Amino acid sequence: DVKVTQSSRYLVKRTGEKVFLECVQDMDHENMFWYRQDPGLGLRLIYFSYDVKMKEKGDIPEGYSVSREKKERFSLILESASTNQTSMYLCANSLGHGNSPLHFGNGTRLTVT
Amino acid sequence: AQSVTQLDSQVPVFEEAPVELRCNYSSSVSVYLFWYVQYPNQGLQLLLKYLSGSTLVKGINGFEAEFNKSQTSFHLRKPSVHISDTAEYFCAAKRPGNNRKLIWGLGTSLAVNP
Repeated sequence: DVKVTQSSRYLVKRTGEKVFLECVQDMDHENMFWYRQDPGLGLRLIYFSYDVKMKEKGDIPEGYSVSREKKERFSLILESASTNQTSMYLCANSLGHGNSPLHFGNGTRLTVT
Repeated sequence: AQSVTQLDSQVPVFEEAPVELRCNYSSSVSVYLFWYVQYPNQGLQLLLKYLSGSTLVKGINGFEAEFNKSQTSFHLRKPSVHISDTAEYFCAAKRPGNNRKLIWGLGTSLAVNP
């Protein structure tokens, strides 16, 4: 069974702080994704990675960066947290072929005060 | 541009009643279609997927969906729901060959009442 683990379930940070959200997979899946989920807006893709050190911007990359130094770990970085980044953040992975479904972690609920 | 529309944002239903959650997609080319479920305080998990072949797809927990190319729909159905089916349901589409980006609907909140 594929497991995607997000390091924190709940996180509270102050405006201006640098925030790291960590995601680890226990399978050898090529693709990893970061989404944010907000009421009424569904899931929006922030960044994804299709290989180590490779990344592509999603639909809402502003204010975020990512790091993938090892295949199993994909980190989302908020360079300077703002209140409008308060949200649920979901990490997911998938195999490299086109019909492979996503496997999600349980999410990190981030509150920026 | 490709889009996915879930026609109902909320669907209340009584336990043991049938339910249909509606999903339409817009695409002039073939697509893969997915339904995901999100139980409270959890991530999403795959319910079922349509890739090709038979238009009726069966998934987990007694759910099924029918792909209708002429109506560009992929509605999710269950003949008899349980309280435990209360969750958020998301429809998504992906173009074959573009193996990274899913196009998501905004979700349908299913509330099963006793």
